[in-house]
Amino acid sequence: DAGVIQSPRHEVTEMGQEVTLRCKPISGHNSLFWYRQTMMRGLELLIYFNNNVPIDDSGMPEDRFSAKMPNASFSTLKIQPSEPRDSAVYFCASTTGTGSTDTQYFGPGTRLTVL
Amino acid sequence: KNEVEQSPQNLTAQEGEFITINCSYSVGISALHWLQQHPGGGIVSLFMLSSGKKKHGRLIATINIQEKHSSLHITASHPRDSAVYICAVPSRDLGFGNEKLTFGTGTRLTIIP
Repeated sequence: DAGVIQSPRHEVTEMGQEVTLRCKPISGHNSLFWYRQTMMRGLELLIYFNNNVPIDDSGMPEDRFSAKMPNASFSTLKIQPSEPRDSAVYFCASTTGTGSTDTQYFGPGTRLTVL
Repeated sequence: KNEVEQSPQNLTAQEGEFITINCSYSVGISALHWLQQHPGGGIVSLFMLSSGKKKHGRLIATINIQEKHSSLHITASHPRDSAVYICAVPSRDLGFGNEKLTFGTGTRLTIIP
């Protein structure tokens, strides 16, 4: 199995531009998580999907962030417009079940730099 | 929200030493996760445990539910064990009703040859 796939691995953009991060979960997993990691705040959950439905988006920082999961094999996290404070590593993870009591499998992450 | 504290924040040891990393949390939980983040940034789940002890190779994780405390031990440490070790526990969001993971700030371990 290829594991969780994220693209791009690195993204450098200018403030105000739209950024789209992509994630392909492990086949058969029904829960998908988007996390953000920064030096100041560590790992934080942004949004959680179960069976393609957003269950908890309370971690999405503001309206500039949006996430979709149109089918079981693909999810996107979009930031528009991007700001320098959005610079971070964004991880996607997937699991069977709900994740709090199941092993989560993380993608390699997307390192985002907003200039 | 479950508060998670890890100690120490940084740990440097000589190859071969026995390593202990600690994690404490504030609210009773159903399971606790230990994760390893490699220097290249990738995150791997090491253990998920709800009671007692689990062992995988040179890594041992223990949990004391009554004391709300878990430890990760590494025996015969090796430079390839150098990584950030992160503890995570479920927190129930009363507004949404689901459990989601709250992460500790991590322990940066460096093993010197």
